[in-house]
Amino acid sequence: GAVVSQHPSWVICKSGTSVKIECRSLDFQATTMFWYRQFPKQSLMLMATSNEGSKATYEQGVEKDKFLINHASLTLSTLTVTSAHPEDSSFYICSAQGAESQPQHFGDGTRLSIL
Amino acid sequence: GQNIDQPTEMTATEGAIVQINCTYQTSGFNGLFWYQQHAGEAPTFLSYNVLDGLEEKGRFSSFLSRSKGYSYLLLKELQMKDSASYLCAVMDSNYQLIWGAGTKLIIKP
Repeated sequence: GAVVSQHPSWVICKSGTSVKIECRSLDFQATTMFWYRQFPKQSLMLMATSNEGSKATYEQGVEKDKFLINHASLTLSTLTVTSAHPEDSSFYICSAQGAESQPQHFGDGTRLSIL
Repeated sequence: GQNIDQPTEMTATEGAIVQINCTYQTSGFNGLFWYQQHAGEAPTFLSYNVLDGLEEKGRFSSFLSRSKGYSYLLLKELQMKDSASYLCAVMDSNYQLIWGAGTKLIIKP
């Protein structure tokens, strides 16, 4: 149980392109979903927390207009990186949580490379 | 401030036992999690402790002492596939997960 699917797993695109990443909880309802970013050999960095039906809460230093998050249902959240630039290249990982005290379960991550 | 400390790197031998420590200072406590992360992959959930004591799950065990702000992850009968980073994370009073930087475990034959 507690399977989280993240798609796509790998994206390579040109600078200026917008990229959408989907995160789905397959066998449970996720009241909260999280989006992380991780650079090579560095720690996970939380970007934002989203609850179904409400606006995402962004961490300090994360531009909400650049990283658009939509959490329209209890099983789906999307992250759109708008007008991506090479410095946005990173490993983006989503996680989903069923209830407040439950563990977060992670998707497989999306490796984003902007040329 | 909130802080989680764990060693940056550890090395152990295949077949042996290794203990990865984690100390924390957080505003409130609603549980401590251990995750495993292989290089280039997303983290996978290993264990959850909210009460003091030892939780055993196969070759892996996790211990918690809330009064000491301390936990450890014990890995027995080490296998080469156990080479990974092990992340300690504490859920604070707001149910926010505070992440440690991770311990890179290197297993040698």
